Amino acid sequence: QKEVEQDPGPLSVPEGAIVSLNCTYSNSAFQYFMWYRQYSRKGPELLMYTYSSGNKEDGRFTAQVDKSSKYISLFIRDSQPSDSATYLCAMSLPSGGSYIPTFGRGTSLIVHP
Amino acid sequence: DGGITQSPKYLFRKEGQNVTLSCEQNLNHDAMYWYRQDPGQGLRLIYYSQIVNDFQKGDIAEGYSVSREKKESFPLTVTSAQKNPTAFYLCASSLDRGGGELFFGEGSRLTVL
Repeated sequence: QKEVEQDPGPLSVPEGAIVSLNCTYSNSAFQYFMWYRQYSRKGPELLMYTYSSGNKEDGRFTAQVDKSSKYISLFIRDSQPSDSATYLCAMSLPSGGSYIPTFGRGTSLIVHP
Repeated sequence: DGGITQSPKYLFRKEGQNVTLSCEQNLNHDAMYWYRQDPGQGLRLIYYSQIVNDFQKGDIAEGYSVSREKKESFPLTVTSAQKNPTAFYLCASSLDRGGGELFFGEGSRLTVL
């Protein structure tokens, strides 16, 4: 079992839909939780970053962390075709005084007009 | 503009040849990372460096080597010992040892013929 599990999809939704992307993890030592967006043949870019349980909102994006269930989610409201990308969850745990991110496999999202 | 520059963007090599991928950052970041991305497998950590003249192996370091002689530069050499080198390689940096918010380059796609 991998430390971070993420369904690769693809997930196809119509424009305007609410999208829910999820990751589960097995190591309770993870302390920082992130979501990255990656367009085809590009480097990932950070969308959301949090270290506590609960919700964090930024525009159309909401990141949710449930440490008791070892489960994180990213919600996208009013999805747009430009949101079509691969979404990677990542989480960090302490290692020798630093925090090294571990990534999920990524979920491919397709938003069609 | 500040950022991370990877070169070359595309690279072809014959079996048995070593190849070096360049990564330069002008963000004044302390930590730098190399990840490998294969289809459906997410990002896997090859090497990371938290300070000049020091680096550590990641999860899949076999067949790779790095150096960190300058803060701005973290080149990756893919040696002939790497059994399956065809992949998308991503360089990243972070401001400190937190490892939370990574800034990625555009990636280098290596194909072994």
